Amino acid sequence: EDKVVQSPLSLVVHEGDTVTLNCSYEVTNFRSLLWYKQEKKAPTFLFMLTSSGIEKKSGRLSSILDKKELSSILNITATQTGDSAIYLCAVHVQGAQKLVFGQGTRLTINP
Amino acid sequence: KAGVTQTPRYLIKTRGQQVTLSCSPISGHRSVSWYQQTPGQGLQFLFEYFSETQRNKGNFPGRFSGRQFSNSRSEMNVSTLELGDSALYLCASSDGGPEKLFFGSGTQLSVL
Repeated sequence: EDKVVQSPLSLVVHEGDTVTLNCSYEVTNFRSLLWYKQEKKAPTFLFMLTSSGIEKKSGRLSSILDKKELSSILNITATQTGDSAIYLCAVHVQGAQKLVFGQGTRLTINP
Repeated sequence: KAGVTQTPRYLIKTRGQQVTLSCSPISGHRSVSWYQQTPGQGLQFLFEYFSETQRNKGNFPGRFSGRQFSNSRSEMNVSTLELGDSALYLCASSDGGPEKLFFGSGTQLSVL
């Protein structure tokens, strides 16, 4: 069965800290890995990573895929209270019209 | 362009009842997917429709069903509601594969 696991499940840090969120996967036929941010209800797209191993960056956020370790990390530097959200990792399995999601990491940034 | 619209935003039902949730995709998107989100399980895939055809279905009992209309709008139905069906139901649309999903704000269903 395809599986995606995120860690930690919950994280509380102070504003300005740097955080690293983890995602590992076991899937039959990997195509890509995606990160989403869910602040209230609707998840919004952050990054898509493929086996190319190219790091993706957007402002203070960056992410990379380790295809050997079957994992990905999402880094957020100089965190702000607006970064407080649930961060979701999902894998697109080749040939399946669906995403397999992890449980999510709830990140709380305290001022 | 308007985003993905889900109605209603909130629903309270009792066990044994049935419920219908609605989703209007982004204009031009022909694929609509449904996911169930609960605190312990994360997002679980329910089903995906493309041009009125169900292309994939998740591991949910037959009480969960869906359909898509010719204008790409989609509905999902849950019959004989159980307490465990309480969740946020998210709809997402795409003009390509699941790597390009745009999510709606969901319908929060509470079963009492």
